[in-house]
Amino acid sequence: DAKTTQPNSMESNEEEPVHLPCNHSTISGTDYIHWYRQLPSQGPEYVIHGLTSNVNNRMASLAIAEDRKSSTLILHRATLRDAAVYYCILRDWDTDKLIFGTGTRLQVFP
Amino acid sequence: KAGVTQTPRYLIKTRGQQVTLSCSPISGHRSVSWYQQTPGQGLQFLFEYFSETQRNKGNFPGRFSGRQFSNSRSEMNVSTLELGDSALYLCASSPAPNTGELFFGEGSRLTVL
Repeated sequence: DAKTTQPNSMESNEEEPVHLPCNHSTISGTDYIHWYRQLPSQGPEYVIHGLTSNVNNRMASLAIAEDRKSSTLILHRATLRDAAVYYCILRDWDTDKLIFGTGTRLQVFP
Repeated sequence: KAGVTQTPRYLIKTRGQQVTLSCSPISGHRSVSWYQQTPGQGLQFLFEYFSETQRNKGNFPGRFSGRQFSNSRSEMNVSTLELGDSALYLCASSPAPNTGELFFGEGSRLTVL
């Protein structure tokens, strides 16, 4: 299973953009890049996913490097409710098996 | 529509006992997967079921088993409980494998004494 590497923690101020990096140098051609986040005392929550092209949704944007060996989750304006552990995950094309790493704990300050 | 429902939410067992956890997926979802979350190991994949068939299994001992019923509801069972089985067990559902988003329940927190 391909692995991802993320910083253990990051900090941001409210209303500022946040760029959460993820390295996945062993990614294969059939791996999708998924991001989930987990708020305290809750199950993980889907954020966004992509394969090769950059993706946008109401929660965030996902920027994928041309060689697909890294990606960045972008929260355009952080709020206090965005404080969570963010997981970057590679998911094989035909499975729901997610291999979670340690994730990045995002702190948002008012 | 209702989300993923897991029961019971909390339970306490003693070593050697067995436990069964239940997961009701979102209506229409046929794929169910299970994860274990502990402070030391983080989130680890247990099993994945689709149309009553186990499609993938994680690296857990045979004491951990699961099944899926024709209505897509799923159960997981842990026999001969050990202290290290204390964890939050999370269930996730999706319409079918790799349709994008997994929807997680709030989990069943198991404490083994």
